[in-house]
Amino acid sequence: NAGVTQTPKFQVLKTGQSMTLQCAQDMNHNSMYWYRQDPGMGLRLIYYSASEGTTDKGEVPNGYNVSRLNKREFSLRLESAAPSQTSVYFCASRRTGNTEAFFGQGTRLTVV
Amino acid sequence: QKEVEQNSGPLSVPEGAIASLNCTYSDRGSQSFFWYRQYSGKSPELIMFIYSNGDKEDGRFTAQLNKASQYVSLLIRDSQPSDSATYLCAVNYPNDYKLSFGAGTTVTVRA
Repeated sequence: NAGVTQTPKFQVLKTGQSMTLQCAQDMNHNSMYWYRQDPGMGLRLIYYSASEGTTDKGEVPNGYNVSRLNKREFSLRLESAAPSQTSVYFCASRRTGNTEAFFGQGTRLTVV
Repeated sequence: QKEVEQNSGPLSVPEGAIASLNCTYSDRGSQSFFWYRQYSGKSPELIMFIYSNGDKEDGRFTAQLNKASQYVSLLIRDSQPSDSATYLCAVNYPNDYKLSFGAGTTVTVRA
């Protein structure tokens, strides 16, 4: 019963460093999402992938890139981390466009 | 304009009372609506979803949808301290797989 698995759980980066957040789901879901959550701002959509082979920008895509590696995996890359990217990042997946989304346990990222 | 707006809170209710949470959305063509609960430091988890106008009940929770007025609400009856959490409204947009969330309303149930 793994569901949606994110790695790492915690990360501290220095300004300008790069890193990739990994997400994998084992529910055979078609759509996958990356959100960031900052205090008082709910979940803001960074990028999403409606199906394998497609990706689209969400509300706050600047400074991020994504790769839908296959149906299971959707990674988020920060090319040059900035303190403004300090946040909790959640990956989510769902079967189709109208069904519920399931979330990973989150990655707490601090950029110093 | 944010696509999904929630009453800002925080909302404090006594144990046993009804907590009422509201959410409005901007796209009249939105098709499906979700309420998630998020405990501090945890991931969001689904409480209810609703697709049609009217009420939908599940235990102590009732979701209400009014597409003409573009709002969806969540009622928590007989509130318990374990209901203390942040509640997030999510809206699905037509012809699009994007799932957008509101900022959330934090509920505290006083024993």
